[in-house]
Amino acid sequence: NAGVTQTPKFQVLKTGQSMTLQCAQDMNHEYMSWYRQDPGMGLRLIHYSVGAGITDQGEVPNGYNVSRSTTEDFPLRLLSAAPSQTSVYFCASSYQIGGLVQYFGAGTRLSVL
Amino acid sequence: GQQVMQIPQYQHVQEGEDFTTYCNSSTTLSNIQWYKQRPGGHPVFLIQLVKSGEVKKQKRLTFQFGEAKKNSSLHITATQTTDVGTYFCAGSGSGNNRLAFGKGNQVVVIP
Repeated sequence: NAGVTQTPKFQVLKTGQSMTLQCAQDMNHEYMSWYRQDPGMGLRLIHYSVGAGITDQGEVPNGYNVSRSTTEDFPLRLLSAAPSQTSVYFCASSYQIGGLVQYFGAGTRLSVL
Repeated sequence: GQQVMQIPQYQHVQEGEDFTTYCNSSTTLSNIQWYKQRPGGHPVFLIQLVKSGEVKKQKRLTFQFGEAKKNSSLHITATQTTDVGTYFCAGSGSGNNRLAFGKGNQVVVIP
C-alpha cells in the first residue's frame, strides 16, 4: 500500500515550458487535491476533484489544468511555466465523507528559471 | 471564501517548556484538523475535532475546539527536539468540499 505517490520529486523548467506533475493513490479515495506551498503562505489549494470526471478550481487555479479520468490518478499540468510557479507542489487524497482528512504525497519541488 | 488564520507564525521554544499555537476561522467550521510538517517533509495528519468544545489528547499534545466552532488550539507540554516543524490547522464549513489551511506555525526547539 504505497499511499499517495508523486513524480517527479524535483524538476527544473525554463519559462514557457510545459509539464505534467503526476499523482497517484491506491487507497480508493474519491477526493483528490493539489496544493502549492510557498514560504510564509501555507498550503494553497490549486484544484480538486470529488471523483472521476469531476474537477473544480481552488484558491489559485490560474496557469494550471487538471483532469481526473480514473479514481487513482490526478495529474496537474502547467501549460506555460512562469517563475511565479516556482514552488513545492503537494498532491493529497481523502475519503469524501469524514471531514476530508488529507493524506499527502512527498511533494514535487519545481523551479522555473 | 473561508479563511483560517494561525498565530503565532513562528515560535522559538526552549526544550522542556510548554507552548500553545492558535487557529481562528472567520466562519463556523464543521470540523478542524491539525497537521504537522517536519522540515523538508510533507504534512502529516495529527487529529480531527468535530464537536463544540471538544478536547482530545495525544501524549504531550492537547487539542481543543472552541465552543463556537470558530477557533482551535494545540498545546504541547515538555517540548522535545522531535516537536520541531510546522503545525497547520485546516477547516471546512458544512457541505463545503474545500479544506482551508492556515499559514502554519513554524516551531524551532532550542536545546
